[in-house]
Amino acid sequence: SSELTQDPAVSVALGQTVRITCQGDILRTYYASWYQQKPGQAPLLVIYDKNNRPSGVPDRFSGSRSGNTASLTITGAQAEDEADYYCNSRGSSGDHLVFGGGTKLTVL
Amino acid sequence: QVQLQESGPGLVKPSETLSLTCIVSGGSISSYYWSWIRQPPGKGLEWIGYVSYSGSVNYDPSLKSRVTILVDTSKNQFSLKLSSVTAADTAVYYCARGEALRHSDYFDYWGQGNLVTVSS
Repeated sequence: SSELTQDPAVSVALGQTVRITCQGDILRTYYASWYQQKPGQAPLLVIYDKNNRPSGVPDRFSGSRSGNTASLTITGAQAEDEADYYCNSRGSSGDHLVFGGGTKLTVL
Repeated sequence: QVQLQESGPGLVKPSETLSLTCIVSGGSISSYYWSWIRQPPGKGLEWIGYVSYSGSVNYDPSLKSRVTILVDTSKNQFSLKLSSVTAADTAVYYCARGEALRHSDYFDYWGQGNLVTVSS
């Protein structure tokens, strides 16, 4: 089992706001990074560090943290946001890296 | 624009060694951390390990006994060797550039992926 836990699937109505979460004790100390992956494509970094977006990532994507839970929020979800989303951070010992199991986002 | 390109065999026999190379273009390998990440068909991402530009390494504990990651700064590339492979090692293998900040890590550039199938 992963040291970072994500819900397997989440759905959102077009134009609405959705929060995708990632739980793990290490998140009390380290921030999560978030990746979007569409079928047949490599993952794309969408959020890193406290709440930073790489150039080209729409500002409807934002990140936050509370306790042991990191969240990726999409405000005003678009059809093109339908994808798998993965969180990433340190493992429980803090010396290696792990990914969450991924969340499949469906935009209705 | 930094680009990463994986290369290597798409088919490896059980018990043999999987070998992949990642060529970095558009930027120097003499900085950052350089990782290998894999994704079994229909499953999630798995971090394998990284090498720094200076050659220091860090591997996933579950793969540590079988993994070797090396960097060649003269060729601006790094490599992965995974020994004693089984069907469970069948996956798309990605190389990625990593950055380690004080309280976070992230992968900002990825290769397009190389599907490796373990089969006789």
